[in-house]
Amino acid sequence: AQSVAQPEDQVNVAEGNPLTVKCTYSVSGNPYLFWYVQYPNRGLQFLLKYITGDNLVKGSYGFEAEFNKSQTSFHLKKPSALVSDSALYFCAVKGGGSTLGRLYFGRGTQLTVWP
Amino acid sequence: DTGVSQNPRHKITKRGQNVTFRCDPISEHNRLYWYRQTLGQGPEFLTYFQNEAQLEKSRLLSDRFSAERPKGSFSTLEIQRTEQGDSAMYLCASSLDSGLQETQYFGPGTRLLVL
Repeated sequence: AQSVAQPEDQVNVAEGNPLTVKCTYSVSGNPYLFWYVQYPNRGLQFLLKYITGDNLVKGSYGFEAEFNKSQTSFHLKKPSALVSDSALYFCAVKGGGSTLGRLYFGRGTQLTVWP
Repeated sequence: DTGVSQNPRHKITKRGQNVTFRCDPISEHNRLYWYRQTLGQGPEFLTYFQNEAQLEKSRLLSDRFSAERPKGSFSTLEIQRTEQGDSAMYLCASSLDSGLQETQYFGPGTRLLVL
């Protein structure tokens, strides 16, 4: 069965500092991993994905994520946080086999960047 | 580029009433997904369509729920005899079936409150 864990409900960071939002996964088969961001009263916006290839994936708005197979992790990172990055972040893994289409989401991590 | 649109954005109804939501996917996207998101949780998969065919349904989709995509374009999600536990954000996503490279793009959601 596929699942995602986001161990931190909240992450607080000062503007200009690096940020990390953690995600670990459990899948049968190859992992296909995604990060989405959700602003208040909005849908989810796609940030980046890992399918195969380089372990460091670059995405929108300066975000990147590092895939680590041995640790089954896919942490989201940004070298210098902005106040406008404050939002709810979701990690997701794609299903395998007969559930190939669906995404399995974590519970989300609320990121707050303070000035 | 017109994104995924959903209507209505908000719906308040009384317990026992029927409600219907509409989703218009990104043009030419052949896959369409429905998810449900409750407070403090990540989105949970409900069902998805490839063109007009409904290919998978979650166990969350009780017999009070029905989804259609009659012409392979827009989709409707109907909830009959609503219950207070149906209160949630209902999210629609669409994608172009491109195998492993598939990325789902989400609409703004319909927030349902059942009184």
